[in-house]
Amino acid sequence: AQSVTQPDIHITVSEGASLELRCNYSYGATPYLFWYVQSPGQGLQLLLKYFSGDTLVQGIKGFEAEFKRSQSSFNLRKPSVHWSDAAEYFCAVVQEGRRALTFGSGTRLQVQP
Amino acid sequence: GAGVSQSPSNKVTEKGKDVELRCDPISGHTALYWYRQSLGQGLEFLIYFQGNSAPDKSGLPSDRFSAERTGGSVSTLTIQRTQQEDSAVYLCASSLAGDTGELFFGEGSRLTVL
Repeated sequence: AQSVTQPDIHITVSEGASLELRCNYSYGATPYLFWYVQSPGQGLQLLLKYFSGDTLVQGIKGFEAEFKRSQSSFNLRKPSVHWSDAAEYFCAVVQEGRRALTFGSGTRLQVQP
Repeated sequence: GAGVSQSPSNKVTEKGKDVELRCDPISGHTALYWYRQSLGQGLEFLIYFQGNSAPDKSGLPSDRFSAERTGGSVSTLTIQRTQQEDSAVYLCASSLAGDTGELFFGEGSRLTVL
């Protein structure tokens, strides 16, 4: 069965520091991969997605992610974190033969001043 | 409104009661999804509707859960004989047909079963 693992439950970084959130997937073929963000009191919002082509994808709010087939990873990065980035981040993959996304358990990001 | 609308935003019920949660998707979106988010957990897929096709019910956790979508628009998720483990936030999302994966989520319905 396809699965998505986010090994870090909670990460704290200082404002202005760089960020990397990890995501690993288990999938038989090249997956469609996504990162969503859930800010307090708001619905989930798509940050970026990877279907094919260039393995480095740019998203909104200054985020980027890199697909590495050899490591089955799709890590999310941001060079300089802002306090408003504090939120929960979910990696997701489309299940083969379906349209429904499988989500990881999420990483909660806390930003220190 | 322009986004996915869910109601009620909060629902407290007693164990054994039935509840209905409503989702009004973005106009023109033919795909509709229900997910469940329990405390400290990721999002658990429940059910998916696409146009007039038979829904994908593979994520429904038990036969106490059911959902319907009337007229290809509004959807209702029904939980019968609620249990305490049903307490969670129920999220609805919609998307354009063919736009794989770009789901637009509502803010959810928080269900608490006492």
